[in-house]
Amino acid sequence: QKEVEQNSGPLSVPEGAIASLNCTYSDRGSQSFFWYRQYSGKSPELIMFIYSNGDKEDGRFTAQLNKASQYVSLLIRDSQPSDSATYLCAVNEGGAGGTSYGKLTFGQGTILTVHP
Amino acid sequence: DTGVSQDPRHKITKRGQNVTFRCDPISEHNRLYWYRQTLGQGPEFLTYFQNEAQLEKSRLLSDRFSAERPKGSFSTLEIQRTEQGDSAMYLCASSLNNRSPQHFGDGTRLSIL
Repeated sequence: QKEVEQNSGPLSVPEGAIASLNCTYSDRGSQSFFWYRQYSGKSPELIMFIYSNGDKEDGRFTAQLNKASQYVSLLIRDSQPSDSATYLCAVNEGGAGGTSYGKLTFGQGTILTVHP
Repeated sequence: DTGVSQDPRHKITKRGQNVTFRCDPISEHNRLYWYRQTLGQGPEFLTYFQNEAQLEKSRLLSDRFSAERPKGSFSTLEIQRTEQGDSAMYLCASSLNNRSPQHFGDGTRLSIL
C-alpha cells in the first residue's frame, strides 16, 4: 500500500511569514512529486511540481525534494490571507526500471490559515 | 487551452438510480484520470486511460462502476445502483504523459438521497 503522509494541521501563520508544509512518502520508486492547492468546495489546483533532488522555486513558492529521506516540502514566502487553503501533496507511483505509472497518491492535505 | 471540463457540476439522485458523468480533457492530453474525494480526505485514484485504453482500475472501483473513453477524447464514468457511500466529489484530470502534471476539472459533486 503506497502511502503519502501530511500533517493535517491546521497550520496557522501570520501574514508575511513563511509557511512550511511537509510530506513523506513510502514508494521509493516514485519519480514525480506535486503540490496542489484546494480551496473549500473547489477542485485541486496545481501550484508546483518537482522531479529532482534539491529546491525548485517559482515566485513565492519553493518545493524541496529529498529522495533519500523520502521527503517533500513546500515553502510559501510572504504568506497572504489568500493562501489560506488546503495543500495536497501528491506522488506519482513508480514502476519498474524507474518508470512512472502516472496515477497519483495523495496525502490527506494540510489546512493552512494565514491571519492578518 | 480551455482546461478540463466536467459535466454536470452537481448531481442529486435517489439511492438505486444510475448516474453518468462526463469529462472533456485538455485537447492534446493523452492521459485521463478519475479520482474520488470525500470530505477531509485527499483524492483517491479510481481509474485511468491512455488514449482509449483503460490501463488500470482501483480496487475502490466496484462492479457498479464503469468508465469509458471511446475515441480517446472525452470520458464517461457511470455508477449503477447508487448507494449512500457513493456520495463524493468525482474529479477528472488529464496530462500529456505519465510523468507530467495532472490538471483537474471542477469536479462533479454527487449526493445520494
